[in-house]
Amino acid sequence: GNSVTQMEGPVTLSEEAFLTINCTYTATGYPSLFWYVQYPGEGLQLLLKATKADDKGSNKGFEATYRKETTSFHLEKGSVQVSDSAVYFCALSDQNYGGSQGNLIFGKGTKLSVKP
Amino acid sequence: GAVVSQHPSWVICKSGTSVKIECRSLDFQATTMFWYRQFPKQSLMLMATSNEGSKATYEQGVEKDKFLINHASLTLSTLTVTSAHPEDSSFYICSARDLTKGARGYTFGSGTRLTVV
Repeated sequence: GNSVTQMEGPVTLSEEAFLTINCTYTATGYPSLFWYVQYPGEGLQLLLKATKADDKGSNKGFEATYRKETTSFHLEKGSVQVSDSAVYFCALSDQNYGGSQGNLIFGKGTKLSVKP
Repeated sequence: GAVVSQHPSWVICKSGTSVKIECRSLDFQATTMFWYRQFPKQSLMLMATSNEGSKATYEQGVEKDKFLINHASLTLSTLTVTSAHPEDSSFYICSARDLTKGARGYTFGSGTRLTVV
């Protein structure tokens, strides 16, 4: 079945360091891919998405490119800030765009701590 | 943008009692809502898919008699944890899908931290 595997944390970085959180997936068909972020004490928020191969999602300095050949959707940011400290979840939608059902399948989450 | 309101944000209850969690889509209609459970250091696990006007679809291993889901309107779904036990303590989060927004359409509630004592 469909699944998402992301690197286990926690990840601890200094401010302005480069961030990569790896995410790979297994899916039939053509899923949409997402990164969600959960700040301390809050619910999930969509960070970015990509709906087809070679799409690049970007938001708040974060980027991820949908790589079908490597079935990956790695999250990157060139210079992290303390305010980026959160848990990041990679996810895929197991229904094609426009499907009436479809739920999200999540990775286990990666906790990021950024130190000043 | 699409907003999903989930209440309560946290609740403490005694073992054996029931707890109801509400999930409301505030500015869009959601024919389908999803209920997830988040275990510490683990992924969000889908519990059930809630469909307006029909019975919910439960994932394998989820007790439908224990986790009662009602989706009586296009903007409200409820999850009731019946006869709660300490092992039910967890973070529950709902998601509603706005079909008019395609792949962008998943919006999450803020979650409910349930502690059963």
